[in-house]
Amino acid sequence: GNSVTQMEGPVTLSEEAFLTINCTYTATGYPSLFWYVQYPGEGLQLLLKATKADDKGSNKGFEATYRKETTSFHLEKGSVQVSDSAVYFCALPYNQGGKLIFGQGTELSVKP
Amino acid sequence: EAGVAQSPRYKIIEKRQSVAFWCNPISGHATLYWYQQILGQGPKLLIQFQNNGVVDDSQLPKDRFSAERLKGVDSTLKIQPAKLEDSAVYLCASSPLSGGRSTDTQYFGPGTRLTVL
Repeated sequence: GNSVTQMEGPVTLSEEAFLTINCTYTATGYPSLFWYVQYPGEGLQLLLKATKADDKGSNKGFEATYRKETTSFHLEKGSVQVSDSAVYFCALPYNQGGKLIFGQGTELSVKP
Repeated sequence: EAGVAQSPRYKIIEKRQSVAFWCNPISGHATLYWYQQILGQGPKLLIQFQNNGVVDDSQLPKDRFSAERLKGVDSTLKIQPAKLEDSAVYLCASSPLSGGRSTDTQYFGPGTRLTVL
C-alpha cells in the first residue's frame, strides 16, 4: 500500500513569515494527495487536494503542488497569520476508495 | 449542508469500563470510517463501512472494539472493556460514492476525546 512521510514539528514562525511543510509519498500509480488541518480541540478539515500530477491545490492562501518527479506534495504559504496555528497532516489513500494514510502531523505555531 | 456529527465530544471513564460513540455522516454519503488518533500521531483507520457492510476492519482490535451501521446511516463504535492505551480521539469520517466506489475525499467530524483512567 501507499505511504507518506511528513516533516516533523513543531514549527514556530512569526506572523507574515513564509511557511513550508515538507511531505513525500510512496504510491502505486497517481493517487489523490491531501492536506488536512486540525485546529486545537477540533476534528480534521480538508485544506486542499490535488488529483493528478502537476496539479496545484490551493485554499486560504495555502498551496501545494503534486510533483511526481520528486514524489512530493509540500505545503506552502507566503505569509502566515496567528490564526494558522494548528496541526497540518499530509495524506493519501492506501488504495483507491479506501482508508487515508496520514503523516504524523506538523504542529505550526505562529507568534504575533 | 450539515457536516459529520459525533457525540459525545468528551468522555472520561475508568479502565475496564465500556463506552460507546455515535456518528451521523453527511446525508447521502455511503461510506463511513472510524479512525483512532493517539496524541501526537496521525489518525489510523479502525473500520470502514460501505452502506451497512464492512469493507475494512483489519486494524480493529476485535477482542474489545465493535462497530455497527445497521441501517446504512448512523454508526456506533463501542469499546468493552477499555484499556489505558485506548485514550485517544475517535474520529468519524464519511465520503460519497462515485461510479460505485468511495471517493478519495473524506469529511471528518469533530471527534470524541476519550480519556481512560
